[in-house]
Formats: sequence, structure tokens, C-alpha cells
Amino acid sequence: AQSVTQLGSHVSVSEGALVLLRCNYSSSVPPYLFWYVQYPNQGLQLLLKYTSAATLVKGINGFEAEFKKSETSFHLTKPSAHMSDAAEYFCAVGQTGFQKLVFGTGTRLLVSP
Amino acid sequence: EAGVAQSPRYKIIEKRQSVAFWCNPISGHATLYWYQQILGQGPKLLIQFQNNGVVDDSQLPKDRFSAERLKGVDSTLKIQPAKLEDSAVYLCASSNNRSYNEQFFGPGTRLTVL
Repeated sequence: AQSVTQLGSHVSVSEGALVLLRCNYSSSVPPYLFWYVQYPNQGLQLLLKYTSAATLVKGINGFEAEFKKSETSFHLTKPSAHMSDAAEYFCAVGQTGFQKLVFGTGTRLLVSP
Repeated sequence: EAGVAQSPRYKIIEKRQSVAFWCNPISGHATLYWYQQILGQGPKLLIQFQNNGVVDDSQLPKDRFSAERLKGVDSTLKIQPAKLEDSAVYLCASSNNRSYNEQFFGPGTRLTVL
């Protein structure tokens, strides 16, 4: 079975600071990994995805994530936080051949001026 | 292209009442999903359709929840009767089966059961 663990239900940063949101996965087969963002009262929007092509994945809005098989991690980073980045972020894992994703519990990013 | 459409956006009902949610996926997307997102949690898959057939409904509380996708396009999720613990956001998503499981989400329906 696949699972995702997101460490920290809330992360607070100052505007301009580094953003680091942690995601560890469990999968018995090579996974596909995703980060989604959810703004208040909206659905989930894809930030980026890992599909085994490259371990460093760049997404929208300046976010990127690095797949580390040895650490079973897929942490999300952004060099400089912006106020508009305040939202809930979800990591998800899927596997080839199955059209199903398993989501983590989410991390709420708070950005202060 | 148009995104996933859902209605209504908000619904307030009393316990033991029934409610239905509607979803229209992105045109051409064969796979449709319904998720339940309880406050403070990640989305939990309720049911997955491939065209008009059910692929996975293992986490659907079948004594009170039902879903259908007639003609393999839009879908309806129903709760009857509703319980207090059904208060959540119900998200619909669709996938074209060609994008490494990438799913496109609608805005969701926020259900409050009083």
C-alpha cells in the first residue's frame, strides 16, 4: 500500500524567506509524486509532478521539489516566499497503471510580512 | 479548456435529510473521482469511475452514499440520510489517463450538516 506523510501541519515563514515543506512517501513500486496547492474555498491545483524523468522538478510559481529515493522524500521548496503563497499544500503519491492518488494530510503555509 | 465544474458550491442541511452534488468533468476525461475532504485533512477517495463503470468504491459508505455516472460524462453523488460527520468539502476530479495520474480538480461543494 502507498502512503504519504507530511511533517508539520503548519509552517510559518516571513516574506522573502525560504519555504520548505516536507513530504515522505511509502511505496513498494516506483512512485509518481505530486504537490498540489489549495487556496481557501477552491479546489486543488497542481504545482508540480515527478514521473521519473528528472529528480529535480520545477513547478509553477517558483516552486520546485527533489525526489530522493534513498530518503523516500519529495520535499517542496521555494527560495523566497511571497504573501500570495499562503495556502494549504498537499503531497500525493500514485503508481503507474493505477489511476489513483493517496494524499497526505496537508501543510498550511503561513507567510508574514 | 473548461475546467471541472461542480454545483452547488455550498449546501446546508439538517441531519437525516438528503443531498446531491453534481460534477461535470473536463471534456474527454474518462476517469472521474469523488473525494471527501474533512476540515484539516487531505482528500479521501470515495469513488472512482472509468467511463460509466465503477473502478473503486471501497471507501464509499454504501449504506448512505451513492454515486452514478450515466453516459460516462457527468456524475452525481448523493447522501441519504446525512449525518453530522458528513460535513466536509466534496471534491470532484477528472483525469485523461495519459498524464501520469494527474488529476484536475473542481472547486468543491462545502456541505454543512446541522
